[in-house]
Amino acid sequence: DGGITQSPKYLFRKEGQNVTLSCEQNLNHDAMYWYRQDPGQGLRLIYYSQIVNDFQKGDIAEGYSVSREKKESFPLTVTSAQKNPTAFYLCASKSYPRQDTQYFGPGTRLTVL
Amino acid sequence: EDKVVQSPLSLVVHEGDTVTLNCSYEVTNFRSLLWYKQEKKAPTFLFMLTSSGIEKKSGRLSSILDKKELFSILNITATQTGDSAVYLCAVLDNYGQNFVFGPGTRLSVLP
Repeated sequence: DGGITQSPKYLFRKEGQNVTLSCEQNLNHDAMYWYRQDPGQGLRLIYYSQIVNDFQKGDIAEGYSVSREKKESFPLTVTSAQKNPTAFYLCASKSYPRQDTQYFGPGTRLTVL
Repeated sequence: EDKVVQSPLSLVVHEGDTVTLNCSYEVTNFRSLLWYKQEKKAPTFLFMLTSSGIEKKSGRLSSILDKKELFSILNITATQTGDSAVYLCAVLDNYGQNFVFGPGTRLSVLP
């Protein structure tokens, strides 16, 4: 089955700890994205990557970091510098630049205690 | 700065009603507009619109784009409780890289 997987589904962390969210896709898509969604709000772009070993900051990149060592994988690290990390995190991918439709993973809900 | 605005932000209707959701945008280099439905987790794709005046239709859902007035509408006829969700509008710029999402419209359909 082709698709995007995210893990874990739920994540709890203590303040001051870094945590890494996984995103893997087997759609052979070039571009991958990370979004943050807060209750009652739309999606805000954290980082995106069009090709391996390259990524760009989105609107709210502060306190986050990413890597793109493989086409299939785009992990997101939420660092202790992120002031309010509790949120729902969505990973997406699309075939760049040919297609416009973005496909989403199931999301990770991060709660900081 | 690119911006997408959706209205209303929240809507409550009864089964069988028809609803119209609005999306307006300000994007420097417009390429396409997409509608997504988000129930509990991942948004699922509904429509992609690139040309003005051409209606896209899927069952009870339809959508149209007006590139002159910079807006799109999503219509749902004969609503069902399963239509309850957040409907997101997103605009893609002409470089094909960056999506700008609106805040979403939360639709609740009561039996």
